Amino acid sequence: NAGVTQTPKFQVLKTGQSMTLQCAQDMNHNSMYWYRQDPGMGLRLIYYSASEGTTDKGEVPNGYNVSRLNKREFSLRLESAAPSQTSVYFCASRRGSQSNQPQHFGDGTRLSIL
Amino acid sequence: AQSVSQHNHHVILSEAASLELGCNYSYGGTVNLFWYVQYPGQHLQLLLKYFSGDPLVKGIKGFEAEFIKSKFSFNLRKPSVQWSDTAEYFCAVNAGNAGNMLTFGGGTRLMVKP
Repeated sequence: NAGVTQTPKFQVLKTGQSMTLQCAQDMNHNSMYWYRQDPGMGLRLIYYSASEGTTDKGEVPNGYNVSRLNKREFSLRLESAAPSQTSVYFCASRRGSQSNQPQHFGDGTRLSIL
Repeated sequence: AQSVSQHNHHVILSEAASLELGCNYSYGGTVNLFWYVQYPGQHLQLLLKYFSGDPLVKGIKGFEAEFIKSKFSFNLRKPSVQWSDTAEYFCAVNAGNAGNMLTFGGGTRLMVKP
């Protein structure tokens, strides 16, 4: 039962470097999400994909890009990393787009930008 | 825009004490409400959810929450906590007009002393 799988689990980058965080789900879910978690701020939505082929901005999209490669995979890219992007990143998926359905989360990627 | 407030940032309890964590949200229309728990070093897991019907919702591990529409609240309760309940708890709201957007509160870090 893999659920939502994120890679890598940890990464340290230098300011200005680029990086892609990978996320894959094996539950045949339609919707996928990327969040960042910062102390005292809960989780904030960066981007989401309601279905294969679509992506939309969330609350904090600046500095990020996403790709919904296929139904299973949803990647998050930092083109030029900044210290303010130091955070824990969570990917999540949901079966459909109905708002009463819960999201299922991956284990997170802890990213540090020096 | 919807917002979610969790007023208790840190709570320390002894085992067997009763727990109530506050959650208030700002949206006045139809809402779907969730409580997630994040155990140390793990991903978020769904505790319980409310989307219609009985406003008293029972979840896993003896947790329950009550939706009070007039107070815009969805407080989490447990009659007797255990050391294993030490975790961070997040309230989340999906407003009826927000589509795929799930808004999280800032989280409450609970420590249960044995």
